[in-house]
Amino acid sequence: DAKTTQPPSMDCAEGRAANLPCNHSTISGNEYVYWYRQIHSQGPQYIIHGLKNNETNEMASLIITEDRKSSTLILPHATLRDTAVYYCISHNQGGNTPLVFGKGTRLSVIA
Amino acid sequence: KAGVTQTPRYLIKTRGQQVTLSCSPISGHRSVSWYQQTPGQGLQFLFEYFSETQRNKGNFPGRFSGRQFSNSRSEMNVSTLELRDSALYLCASSGGGRNTDTQYFGPGTRLTVL
Repeated sequence: DAKTTQPPSMDCAEGRAANLPCNHSTISGNEYVYWYRQIHSQGPQYIIHGLKNNETNEMASLIITEDRKSSTLILPHATLRDTAVYYCISHNQGGNTPLVFGKGTRLSVIA
Repeated sequence: KAGVTQTPRYLIKTRGQQVTLSCSPISGHRSVSWYQQTPGQGLQFLFEYFSETQRNKGNFPGRFSGRQFSNSRSEMNVSTLELRDSALYLCASSGGGRNTDTQYFGPGTRLTVL
């Protein structure tokens, strides 16, 4: 079973920031927080990951709380092409364990 | 770098047949993982291969098998197909560069069993 909890769906206006929350209250010290997204019928796309520090790349920012029990993925200026299912996964790097996907959050960006 | 490629993209088979799907990982990646995605069960892990050895296995029946070649390309096989095997089969590779554990997914093979 997935060890993360996400809202099933969210809406965001085009051009606004999309803030997607994730709860991972049972995350262990060596587990990273990974975010992927899946646009309809395509393979999941890697977005970003982090351990405890906030991370930013060309796609998004990841904010992890100090106690590491939750995180937020931020898409700074959402576009219609960002409409997708977003998955938050806690994953043990180097542990040779598979990614465990939950149901994710279906983000709808509205014009 | 080219991404993960999967062939074929679409496949239609009938019950009882077998099928082989192929995955070419990103150049330099040595790990290949396979996942099954269905509307009811979501994304589920099938198995992982690393250096031609199965390193991890999910909870699927023995009809599902795989292998990896010396060039890291991987195949998965499903024998005696059942209707419930209809799914999107995804391959992901990892093991290269700075983020050695980050998995990058291919576009998937859509299998329909009639």
